[in-house]
Amino acid sequence: DQQVKQNSPSLSVQEGRISILNCDYTNSMFDYFLWYKKYPAEGPTFLISISSIKDKNEDGRFTVFLNKSAKHLSLHIVPSQPGDSAVYFCAASRENTGFQKLVFGTGTRLLVSP
Amino acid sequence: EPEVTQTPSHQVTQMGQEVILRCVPISNHLYFYWYRQILGQKVEFLVSFYNNEISEKSEIFDDQFSVERPDGSNFTLKIRSTKLEDSAMYFCASSPGGGANYGYTFGSGTRLTVV
Repeated sequence: DQQVKQNSPSLSVQEGRISILNCDYTNSMFDYFLWYKKYPAEGPTFLISISSIKDKNEDGRFTVFLNKSAKHLSLHIVPSQPGDSAVYFCAASRENTGFQKLVFGTGTRLLVSP
Repeated sequence: EPEVTQTPSHQVTQMGQEVILRCVPISNHLYFYWYRQILGQKVEFLVSFYNNEISEKSEIFDDQFSVERPDGSNFTLKIRSTKLEDSAMYFCASSPGGGANYGYTFGSGTRLTVV
């Protein structure tokens, strides 16, 4: 059941450059999308989210873009910093109170080198 | 900043034994969740809990699993008879509302190793 896919298991970027992490989803019922960052032996930490009524949301160095027709979203990190090195999970859900779970992708390991 | 606290951080148990994983959600949150991550795989939803009852559960959450909120602060996940394939990181989460837009806060997880 691969409703949310992150096709790149890893990404290496130099410090100061842009990191672009991609995510695709198949279920058109999803209307809310989130990105989480995870360090080893820690729980997922919320980064940024976007509702399907928007196509872009920005928070500091992090911007999420949503292309509903392509069922695709991406997370841009500019500029990338070594402390951004972690596993990034895309998650999809609904704003409806009756649908509470997050459906996660498989994650992309980002390595930002100095 | 408020945190979701999970104990223990690591538990080793023999196959067939019962385990209880404990969580203290954020105090004013109303919705509680358990997720798990098998090593190298994605984070998977197990169960959501609201108003002292299960509101949604996945196919993973079979009769071997149960959840309870025994008092006003703790939220527990019990696995009655553990199997090797139950070895995973188990994450508790809580949120103030039922939709994803309310935001989830995850705990640091309990690593369960079944031997």
